[in-house]
Amino acid sequence: DQQVKQNSPSLSVQEGRISILNCDYTNSMFDYFLWYKKYPAEGPTFLISISSIKDKNEDGRFTVFLNKSAKHLSLHIVPSQPGDSAVYFCAALHSGTYKYIFGTGTRLKVLA
Amino acid sequence: DTGVSQDPRHKITKRGQNVTFRCDPISEHNRLYWYRQTLGQGPEFLTYFQNEAQLEKSRLLSDRFSAERPKGSFSTLEIQRTEQGDSAMYLCASSLTPGQGGDYGYTFGSGTRLTVV
Repeated sequence: DQQVKQNSPSLSVQEGRISILNCDYTNSMFDYFLWYKKYPAEGPTFLISISSIKDKNEDGRFTVFLNKSAKHLSLHIVPSQPGDSAVYFCAALHSGTYKYIFGTGTRLKVLA
Repeated sequence: DTGVSQDPRHKITKRGQNVTFRCDPISEHNRLYWYRQTLGQGPEFLTYFQNEAQLEKSRLLSDRFSAERPKGSFSTLEIQRTEQGDSAMYLCASSLTPGQGGDYGYTFGSGTRLTVV
């Protein structure tokens, strides 16, 4: 039972353009969401988070949007840079628990 | 603070051997998590400690797996009688307890990549 889904295994974007990574979840109890970035041979690095009381959170070039009715969140990267090339995981948590459920990841490639 | 440290970074072992991994969390973090990641998948929860108490083990953690956090600081994950299916990246993460100065974010280590041949 995949509670957190990232249906696009890969995405290629030109440098300077917008990257949009999508994530869907099934459990309506999830109330906190994160995006992690992972480079090869490294652990995931925290990127940005959003609580279910918000529908948008912004940090520099990164913006996360949450649509609770659709159980969908997305990560926008503007402008995309070659250094953004990595695997991006979304993760969801019910605040009454302690463990994140991760999606399968989307490999982003930003072309120079 | 050097973040979350994991040792070793890589381990190659023969099937049937025992292996032990170590995780040193961020010093003030009281929560410690172990996750496993296989190729093409996201990290999967294995187990979790609040200080020295192990509060949950995933059903992914068979009887061959054991984790400890004896003094509420570093943690070890041991796999006995390794099988080829155990080959994966083993990730450790730590955090503060939400509401006690922490939010819900984890800090991950770089992981230990296990290859069972």
